[in-house]
Amino acid sequence: GAVVSQHPSRVICKSGTSVKIECRSLDFQATTMFWYRQFPKKSLMLMATSNEGSKATYEQGVEKDKFLINHASLTLSTLTVTSAHPEDSSFYICSAVSGTVNTEAFFGQGTRLTVV
Amino acid sequence: AQSVTQLGSHVSVSEGALVLLRCNYSSSVPPYLFWYVQYPNQGLQLLLKYTSAATLVKGINGFEAEFKKSETSFHLTKPSAHMSDAAEYFCAVSESAGANNLFFGTGTRLTVIP
Repeated sequence: GAVVSQHPSRVICKSGTSVKIECRSLDFQATTMFWYRQFPKKSLMLMATSNEGSKATYEQGVEKDKFLINHASLTLSTLTVTSAHPEDSSFYICSAVSGTVNTEAFFGQGTRLTVV
Repeated sequence: AQSVTQLGSHVSVSEGALVLLRCNYSSSVPPYLFWYVQYPNQGLQLLLKYTSAATLVKGINGFEAEFKKSETSFHLTKPSAHMSDAAEYFCAVSESAGANNLFFGTGTRLTVIP
């Protein structure tokens, strides 16, 4: 199947700093990418949907100014956690789809963010 | 509104034994249901999906799941567990067959005992 690469897999940052997470589709063009967040022992929760070349659509309760999403090309979407706080520590995972509605979503391996 | 409940955050089975991972869903529209597997340090991989065709769905690696509307369930089974099946399994529901806007369960970690 198609490959989605997420980088970094783990990151530790200090409170108040910003962290960028990359999600790349390696062998296909991703017209749409999704960003999820998983709290310990909780479900993966959809944060936002991004379409190449347009603004991301955020789910209710997700601060768009804190979680900046950029989908500048058909193979790359980035999630930037701005002014990170310890409560932002979590597992972030992206998925990518291409083409029509009924195509499969391919997931990255996730990023473990720890804010100290 | 859609949601998924996975009973049992951790399931242990002996090698060769039946694997049963439970998933119940809630959906206000006809659901599309998915099972994903996540191996350590890897992304989620689609095992199988139900898209309103046959209620018994066969997936990769010998897994299958049966959609039971009356029970709002989509349990995942495999007749004989292999050591390589040890992983985290996620059930998910969507309004779309294309796996857009998935609502995930909390996951079940499967351990296979030699």
